[in-house]
Amino acid sequence: DTAVSQTPKYLVTQMGNDKSIKCEQNLGHDTMYWYKQDSKKFLKIMFSYNNKELIINETVPNRFSPKSPDKAHLNLHINSLELGDSAVYFCASSQGGTPSTDTQYFGPGTRLTVL
Amino acid sequence: SQQGEEDPQALSIQEGENATMNCSYKTSINNLQWYRQNSGRGLVHLILIRSNEREKHSGRLRVTLDTSKKSSSLLITASRAADTASYFCAAPGGGADGLTFGKGTHLIIQP
Repeated sequence: DTAVSQTPKYLVTQMGNDKSIKCEQNLGHDTMYWYKQDSKKFLKIMFSYNNKELIINETVPNRFSPKSPDKAHLNLHINSLELGDSAVYFCASSQGGTPSTDTQYFGPGTRLTVL
Repeated sequence: SQQGEEDPQALSIQEGENATMNCSYKTSINNLQWYRQNSGRGLVHLILIRSNEREKHSGRLRVTLDTSKKSSSLLITASRAADTASYFCAAPGGGADGLTFGKGTHLIIQP
């Protein structure tokens, strides 16, 4: 029944490791997003995918790479993790391809802690 | 710089009272959205108001938009304990027509 789901919910790992966070939506939406929320609760969009095409790519390090095997999935792979990557990462989806006007549906978040 | 900034950063009121949160933004927009985030959860969309609308209602929520002042307000009437959450405004401006969120207002409803 979950509309947007993410795994894992918590992730604790050492600096320098490579990790992935998975996201799936069963809403039939065309666009999916990844956001990063820092310790001050500032939420920043990182990527969005519309029908397997990247339509937004904020100035994030290229250690972060989104991977979308199909329209219902958008995974986030992070190479060479750094302390500053510690945050809560949210996946979201929306019906159409216009993020500024579409309602976005968020997953529960993945709390990443880099030691 | 952020497109949307909420004020106050935190607000604590008694159950039953009304809560008002404000949001200011920097550039012209065609719409503004409000979201709620309960502790440890994802954001939930509350309401979208378009630039040609001055006020919009949804249940106990009332949103206003003043494009001349580049500001919006969210009013929650007859607050309940379940309204305790962080509230974010989001406006276009995240790059390539994306959304930018403010830091949010943390609302605490005391029983």
